[in-house]
Amino acid sequence: AQSVAQPEDQVNVAEGNPLTVKCTYSVSGNPYLFWYVQYPNRGLQFLLKYITGDNLVKGSYGFEAEFNKSQTSFHLKKPSALVSDSALYFCAVSLSGGYQKVTFGTGTKLQVIP
Amino acid sequence: EPEVTQTPSHQVTQMGQEVILRCVPISNHLYFYWYRQILGQKVEFLVSFYNNEISEKSEIFDDQFSVERPDGSNFTLKIRSTKLEDSAMYFCASSVGLAGPNEQFFGPGTRLTVL
Repeated sequence: AQSVAQPEDQVNVAEGNPLTVKCTYSVSGNPYLFWYVQYPNRGLQFLLKYITGDNLVKGSYGFEAEFNKSQTSFHLKKPSALVSDSALYFCAVSLSGGYQKVTFGTGTKLQVIP
Repeated sequence: EPEVTQTPSHQVTQMGQEVILRCVPISNHLYFYWYRQILGQKVEFLVSFYNNEISEKSEIFDDQFSVERPDGSNFTLKIRSTKLEDSAMYFCASSVGLAGPNEQFFGPGTRLTVL
C-alpha cells in the first residue's frame, strides 16, 4: 500500500519569505513523487515530480522540492513567496509510475500574507 | 497549451438517477483516470483506463460505476443509481503513457450534487 501524509492543514507565510510545505510518504518500493496545486474552483495543476537522480527537483512558478529517502520526505519549497501562491497544495505518490494510480495527501492550504 | 476538459461543470441530480460525466483528455494521451474529492476531503483514485479497458480500480468503484471511451476523444464516467454519498467533485485526468512515470494532467472537475 502507498500513502502520503501532509501534517499541516494550513501554512501561513509573509510575502517575500521562504515557504515550506511538508510531505512524507510510505511505499513498498521506489516512489515516484508529485506536487500539485489547486486554486479555487479549478482542477489540479502539476507543479513538479521526482523520479530518480538529483534529490532537488525544480518545477513550475519557482517551486522546488527536496527528496529525502532516509526521512521519506518530499517537502515543497520556494525561496520567496508571492500572494498569488496562495492555494491548496497536494503531495502525491505513485509506486509504478504515472500510468498507475496516484495517491494524494490531504492537502495543505498555503496562505501568503501581503 | 492542451488541457483536459470536463462537462458539465456542475450537475445536480435526484437520488437514484443515472448521471454521465464527460471528459475530453489531451489528444495524444493514452491513459485516462477518474478521481473524486468529497468536500473537505482528499482526492481519491477511482479508476484507470487504457486500451479500452480498465487497468485498475479502487474499492470505491463498485458496480454502480462504469467508464467508457465511446469515440476517439471522449471518456465518460457513469453512475447508474446515484446515492447521497456520491456528491463530490469528480476529476478526470490523462497521461501520456510512454515508458517511465508520467505526470497526470487534470481537468477542472465536475461538481456532482445528489439530492
